Amino acid sequence: DAGVIQSPRHEVTEMGQEVTLRCKPISGHDYLFWYRQTMMRGLELLIYFNNNVPIDDSGMPEDRFSAKMPNASFSTLKIQPSEPRDSAVYFCASTEGGQPQHFGDGTRLSIL
Amino acid sequence: GQNIDQPTEMTATEGAIVQINCTYQTSGFNGLFWYQQHAGEAPTFLSYNVLDGLEEKGRFSSFLSRSKGYSYLLLKELQMKDSASYLCAVIRGGSQGNLIFGKGTKLSVKP
Repeated sequence: DAGVIQSPRHEVTEMGQEVTLRCKPISGHDYLFWYRQTMMRGLELLIYFNNNVPIDDSGMPEDRFSAKMPNASFSTLKIQPSEPRDSAVYFCASTEGGQPQHFGDGTRLSIL
Repeated sequence: GQNIDQPTEMTATEGAIVQINCTYQTSGFNGLFWYQQHAGEAPTFLSYNVLDGLEEKGRFSSFLSRSKGYSYLLLKELQMKDSASYLCAVIRGGSQGNLIFGKGTKLSVKP
């Protein structure tokens, strides 16, 4: 079975550019999560969806960040404009209620 | 407030036993997870505790004391491949989504 699929695996771009990260959750999972991981702050929840509806976006650092889930099999996390401090590994995870979360391989983002 | 504390790093010897502690303070509690994360990879699920006591799963065991806000992960018969970061995560409140992670404990297993 395919796991959570994220793209791209690596992204290097210049400050000010728009960045779009993509995630395909495991089929049948009704929860989808976006996390950011850095050495300083560890793994932080940015936003999560239940049945495609955003439930808690209190972890989104600022208005430059936005996330959408147009259907049950696809979600995007967008940063516009990007800044060097956004450099991190971004993980997407999915689950069905009450079960452990399954993580994608992450997107390693570097903003120059 | 919410806080999860774990040691930053630990070192142990191949074949030995190591215990990784986690203390937490959260507003509401609905269970605790342990995840393993190898360098450059995604976290993978190890164990889940919601009631007090010990959960054993092969070489790995996890313990929870809700009254003390304390958990530990016990790794027996350490192998080199166990070198990884171990993340403690608490489900806060009644929703699956309120998962708060500790910063992880980097375990190095030496021959």
